[in-house]
Amino acid sequence: AQSVTQPDIHITVSEGASLELRCNYSYGATPYLFWYVQSPGQGLQLLLKYFSGDTLVQGIKGFEAEFKRSQSSFNLRKPSVHWSDAAEYFCAVGGSLNNDMRFGAGTRLTVKP
Amino acid sequence: EAGVVQSPRYKIIEKKQPVAFWCNPISGHNTLYWYLQNLGQGPELLIRYENEEAVDDSQLPKDRFSAERLKGVDSTLKIQPAELGDSAVYLCASSSTGTSTGELFFGEGSRLTVL
Repeated sequence: AQSVTQPDIHITVSEGASLELRCNYSYGATPYLFWYVQSPGQGLQLLLKYFSGDTLVQGIKGFEAEFKRSQSSFNLRKPSVHWSDAAEYFCAVGGSLNNDMRFGAGTRLTVKP
Repeated sequence: EAGVVQSPRYKIIEKKQPVAFWCNPISGHNTLYWYLQNLGQGPELLIRYENEEAVDDSQLPKDRFSAERLKGVDSTLKIQPAELGDSAVYLCASSSTGTSTGELFFGEGSRLTVL
């Protein structure tokens, strides 16, 4: 069965600094990979997704992620963090047609002024 | 286009009481999910519907939890009786398998507090 590991429970960065959130997955076939963001008291919003093709995917709000099959990773990056990016970030892996999507435990991002 | 709508947003009950959550998915989305999200954790799937059929309910604690999606549109998740450990956020999501995009659209969740 697929699984997702987000090694960092909590990350603090200064506003304007770069950001990288780590995600490692386990899946027996080519995975569908996702990053979602959740602000306090809100549902999850999709940032970006990878199905196939170019391994560097662009998302909303200036985020990007790179799929590295050899490392079973799908890390999320942003070159310059804004205070409004403070939230919880979840990596998820799924099979085709939305079957059995599994989420990581999340990484909480704090942005310092 | 309206998003996934859940109600109530917040519910406080005493243990052993029943509680129900309602979800209306995005129009045309045939797949509906109920997730449980404990504090500081990622969502965990409780049940997934394809139209009105529950195709994955392996993680649903069937002794106290039940769900239905009678007409393949909106859905209700019930807990009876509630226990202290059920305090969590219950998220509903929907998707359209016809597009094969894999994206789930989430509601804002129903936060349950059991006293």
